[in-house]
This record gives sequence, structure tokens and C-alpha cells, in this order.
Amino acid sequence: DSGVTQTPKHLITATGQRVTLRCSPRSGDLSVYWYQQSLDQGLQFLIQYYNGEERAKGNILERFSAQQFPDLHSELNLSSLELGDSALYFCASSVGVAGGYNEQFFGPGTRLTVL
Amino acid sequence: QKEVEQDPGPLSVPEGAIVSLNCTYSNSAFQYFMWYRQYSRKGPELLMYTYSSGNKEDGRFTAQVDKSSKYISLFIRDSQPSDSATYLCAMSSYNTDKLIFGTGTRLQVFP
Repeated sequence: DSGVTQTPKHLITATGQRVTLRCSPRSGDLSVYWYQQSLDQGLQFLIQYYNGEERAKGNILERFSAQQFPDLHSELNLSSLELGDSALYFCASSVGVAGGYNEQFFGPGTRLTVL
Repeated sequence: QKEVEQDPGPLSVPEGAIVSLNCTYSNSAFQYFMWYRQYSRKGPELLMYTYSSGNKEDGRFTAQVDKSSKYISLFIRDSQPSDSATYLCAMSSYNTDKLIFGTGTRLQVFP
């Protein structure tokens, strides 16, 4: 158990809908990361927050957004869902930010299925 | 061309075999090199981390980084059925925490 929690475990929804994925980092970690894992693209970085502020952005679609709240939990919002958004979404957390190595601890993931 | 290339396998070996997993990369700015293990329907967990070039050993696992060739390896000695999983290489550079992953190699160790 990494100490990172994600809810829900599974989500099934229809095209065009909006969903929210939630992540609670390990106690004491200030950075939260979101990754998408699909069969054809592998594990891809979406976005990073550090202590409430956006820190880095990957190839995150405009239909996707995220935020980190004062209690450090984070939410990833996916809207206007398409079939291709079906994937595993992982949250990870680390203590700090770049300027050295920051080990990232991954949560168990949320499996999103868009029908 | 992807920044990190990894043979997807699958790789099937008998128990006790030595396993070699590899990744190549194109970005010379990468300085931190990691191997993650991912069991089916679980999140990735860090196995090994290496900074810059060199070797690192931890029990049955050895990680090697050759920056001149842009090539990294993970060796598993005396492989066990419990090692059956997908192994992902990951890399990052000094000024970012963004991890770039390989596509993963699926390993099966049969008794």
C-alpha cells in the first residue's frame, strides 16, 4: 500500500458526460501528479500540482482539468468524454518538487470506461 | 519517435532464469532513471532508482545505466513466479518531476 488513495476504483459512463476523479496524497506529500495509462499510449503524464499551484503540464487535453485543494487532495475533471478517454488514471504523490530526485508513489488507479 | 522505447514482450522464462529488461531513450537531458513494477490492475511501484550512469544492486535486482549509449537495463537474478508483472522504465531530467515512461515489458516466470 503506497499511502495514496484514489476514488472511485471503477467508473462507467457514456460519451459526452463529465466525471471527477479524486486523489488523496500520502501524508506529508505536497506534490500530486496525474497520469493516464492506455493500451496504445502507455503511461503518460498529464499534470502536476505542488501545494495548490499548477507546476507542470503534459499532453493534457483541454477537456480535462485538475485542481489541488488546501487539504492537498486533488481532483481530475474529465468532460465531453469520448470513447478514447477510456483508460486507467493514476494519481501519484511526492514530497517536493524538482531540483533533485523526488520519488513518486502511485495510487491504485481509477479505471474509466466510456461507452 | 518516442522519447523512451521499450520492448513490450511478452517475455516468458522458467523459474530461476536471469531476466534482462532494456530501454533506450533519445533525450540526453535525462538524469534520473527508474524501474517500476506493475502487477495486473495495480499501480506502479518503484523497484530501482539510479542517478546518471552506473550500476546499482538491490538483492536479486541490478539496474544499469549507460548514458553514452542512451541505454538502461534491469537484470533479475533467480527469477520467481512472483516476479511475473509488467516492468516499466521511467526517466526524468533535473528541472522537472515529469516522468517519461516506456510502454512496459510484460514478464511471466513459470514454475
